[in-house]
Amino acid sequence: AQTVTQSQPEMSVQEAETVTLSCTYDTSESDYYLFWYKQPPSRQMILVIRQEAYKQQNATENRFSVNFQKAAKSFSLKISDSQLGDAAMYFCAYRSAWGGSQGNLIFGKGTKLSVKP
Amino acid sequence: GAGVSQSPSNKVTEKGKDVELRCDPISGHTALYWYRQSLGQGLEFLIYFQGNSAPDKSGLPSDRFSAERTGGSVSTLTIQRTQQEDSAVYLCASSFQLTGVRTEAFFGQGTRLTVV
Repeated sequence: AQTVTQSQPEMSVQEAETVTLSCTYDTSESDYYLFWYKQPPSRQMILVIRQEAYKQQNATENRFSVNFQKAAKSFSLKISDSQLGDAAMYFCAYRSAWGGSQGNLIFGKGTKLSVKP
Repeated sequence: GAGVSQSPSNKVTEKGKDVELRCDPISGHTALYWYRQSLGQGLEFLIYFQGNSAPDKSGLPSDRFSAERTGGSVSTLTIQRTQQEDSAVYLCASSFQLTGVRTEAFFGQGTRLTVV
């Protein structure tokens, strides 16, 4: 079974600085998707960024980028120029590309990010 | 609708009562998921539906939990004889398809269930 591990329960960053959130996963599959979701106090889970395992290029969305290391099964999220609105819980998630009984998203336990003004 | 809609937003119930939680997915999305998020924890998969296929119920914690999806759209999660350990936020998500490029799940705001 696949697992997702986020080893940092809490992180803190100064406004305008850069922070990296860690995520590792375990799978025997070669084709899958990885996601980072943000959950502010409103509870709404918001997709931040996604990565297809077959793509070597790291995904980027504005201030958010990932460092995808397939061999190491690592998928870290970098937030540049941190803003107060970035404060939230961040969840790393895995999904098999094959669907069927493996179609559900598997989440890590999350990292709570605080942004200091 | 524009997004995934869940109701009620909050529900307080007495131990032993049954509750129904509703999820209205994004129109056209064939996959629908239910997750449970206990206080300070990650998301625990409960069940998902894909089109007309039999649902994957492998995450349901006990036979007190059941879910239906009528007409391939609205879903209802039912918890019978609620227990205090059922207190959590129940999140619903939908996606356009299960595999391929358009697989990202869009979440509702959840239902916070409190069993007293």
